[in-house]
Amino acid sequence: SYELTQPPSVSVSPGQTARITCSGDALPKQYAYWYQQKPGQAPVLVIYKDSERPSGIPERFSGSSSGTTVTLTISGVQAEDEADYYCQSADSSGTYVFGSGTKVTVL
Amino acid sequence: QVQLQESGPGLVKPSQTLSLTCTVSGGSISSGDYYWSWIRQHPGKGLEWIGYIYYSGSTYYNPSLKSRATISIDTSRNQFSLKLSSVTAADTAVYYCARDREGGGEDYWGQGTLVTVSS
Repeated sequence: SYELTQPPSVSVSPGQTARITCSGDALPKQYAYWYQQKPGQAPVLVIYKDSERPSGIPERFSGSSSGTTVTLTISGVQAEDEADYYCQSADSSGTYVFGSGTKVTVL
Repeated sequence: QVQLQESGPGLVKPSQTLSLTCTVSGGSISSGDYYWSWIRQHPGKGLEWIGYIYYSGSTYYNPSLKSRATISIDTSRNQFSLKLSSVTAADTAVYYCARDREGGGEDYWGQGTLVTVSS
């Protein structure tokens, strides 16, 4: 079955830049989406169509795509950004898949 | 503001059928712009997409659950539902309903409901 690969964890100091990668063979042909999930809460969409930001999401969140890898970048990380982040995309048949998630720790 | 709310039993016995309903408020489930999804999260684990339904009744399922999952829609009540048959302890999870905007991701989510499978 199709898999999206994310690093388990990323640590970053406040004010620095966090980059979270997501790799998958179908990513050149399928859009990627990114979600932020804090403990005990439902996920929140932070990036759609690889790089689009929903209204209400701070500008410090951005997305990019290159080949089989998409990247979520959090610029000027704040303590409130500490959370789990999941990428989502589809395989060649259109079945949605989530990545395994990356825990972002703000030092 | 669109809101989604899951409801249903929090405890289901093994081999029985899990049944959940998602009530949508603040918008019409009959809008052709959206799909309506079910997603689950096992305790302490990642997200798993179960499937979605369109207002017309068209459905698409995760192949890993397709034989056991059924998603239906009731446009008169602005609700959609999930049934998962022959459950085991492995189906214990938080179940979320969400709105999927084609190309736009799951942009609105319910708060989630924990379903425990246990005798």
